[in-house]
Amino acid sequence: QSALTQPRSVSGSPGQSVTISCTGTSSDVGGYNFVSWYRQHPGKAPKLMIYDVTKRPSGVPDRFSGSKSGNTASLTISGLQAEDEADYYCCSYAGRYTVLFGGGTKLTVL
Amino acid sequence: QVQLQEAGPGLVKPSETLSLTCTVSGGSVSSGSHYWSWIRQPPGKGLEWIGYIYYSGSTNYNPSLKSRVTISVDTSKNQFSLKLRSVTAADTAVYYCARDIGAGSGYFDLWGRGTLVIVSS
Repeated sequence: QSALTQPRSVSGSPGQSVTISCTGTSSDVGGYNFVSWYRQHPGKAPKLMIYDVTKRPSGVPDRFSGSKSGNTASLTISGLQAEDEADYYCCSYAGRYTVLFGGGTKLTVL
Repeated sequence: QVQLQEAGPGLVKPSETLSLTCTVSGGSVSSGSHYWSWIRQPPGKGLEWIGYIYYSGSTNYNPSLKSRVTISVDTSKNQFSLKLRSVTAADTAVYYCARDIGAGSGYFDLWGRGTLVIVSS
């Protein structure tokens, strides 16, 4: 199993939208609708932002949305805020009761 | 409010066994709705899923670590534990315990604060 592929960094200005991609294979992202996204601030534990590809846990703003096409899942953050500056990780079920994370994307709010 | 707390040595010698426990407070590790996972993060790097356990004792592990990992549960103490054998410097990481609400699908809605384990002589 190799880590899911994410861009190392993305950036955007306050109020803008950014999209982070997460590319896997037909054995993980493409094969199941079990994709989740996490936000991690420096020195903190990750926080679940999206699950089931598109669902938001209670308390997560609707500025965060998820989607999937083929072997690539995406996280879109609209109305960027300073607090969104963090590392973002995708995660997918990878069959045989295993889980795979992406390599992480650093989001910079300019 | 359910909380998770990792505990264990912060320094382990190469070739020895890393042992950590995660205590569940405010809730029960015997909840049939959740799986309990270990996840690690080497300094400056990304997240790596290690494995999970169900309260019944059923486990699944990352194939890349499977030969060295054992996760167990102690329902009487409301804890679950990680053992990683034959460690090397590559096992230096922050180790997190987490609750999976997705029946093993990787939906970790609750995390411990993490504990740094350094492998060094």
